[in-house]
Amino acid sequence: EEQLVESGGGLVKPGGSLRVACKGSGFNFSDAWMGWIRQAPGKGLEWVGRIRSKGDGETVDYAAPVKGRFSISRDDSLKTVFLQMNGLRTEDTGVYYCTRRSYSDLWGQGTLVTVSS
Amino acid sequence: DIQMTQSPSSLSASVGDTISITCRASQSIYKFVSWFQQKPGRAPKLLINGSSTLHSGVPPRFSGADSGTLFTLTIRGLQPEDFATYYCLQTYAVPRTFGQGTRVEVK
Repeated sequence: EEQLVESGGGLVKPGGSLRVACKGSGFNFSDAWMGWIRQAPGKGLEWVGRIRSKGDGETVDYAAPVKGRFSISRDDSLKTVFLQMNGLRTEDTGVYYCTRRSYSDLWGQGTLVTVSS
Repeated sequence: DIQMTQSPSSLSASVGDTISITCRASQSIYKFVSWFQQKPGRAPKLLINGSSTLHSGVPPRFSGADSGTLFTLTIRGLQPEDFATYYCLQTYAVPRTFGQGTRVEVK
């Protein structure tokens, strides 16, 4: 079964850092472009960024609100993609989902990140 | 950035109805649109990609179409499990952008 499982969410103070991870299984992870999408409480979906496969250069694109603060990386040996979040703000609070491919055909269950003092 | 204007924001319908949700892109995006269904407390699920290609396992009562920059999701014969929130997503350019969502409620 193809699956994505996120981990690492939690409560962090404004200005703090957090790293969330997403482990894939049941598919060829190293060939997949992976992305992150978030959802603030009671709000819609917001694209955060994506990382290409190593074969496609492993380059990364970010949404403007997170550029310079968030960093996406991957470790294909662990079948895991990471989202490093620095300089967190209260408006970064929400559920963070990892997804597969540019059209997000597979989603994880999400991990809740709460930024509050 | 490409804007996706989705409408309506909500609609009320009954089981068996046919409903349509639209997304208008702010520029040409060819057929690079996906549609998702989300139920409360759950991750979204892909319904359609490439404007009209049904994702594996999605019932054929769901369909997608496009005309220029206007994209439409239609559900024919609404079922109880279809009451949910629906989103469009443009996958033509980065940053990717979603529509605002359409909540489909029981009339």
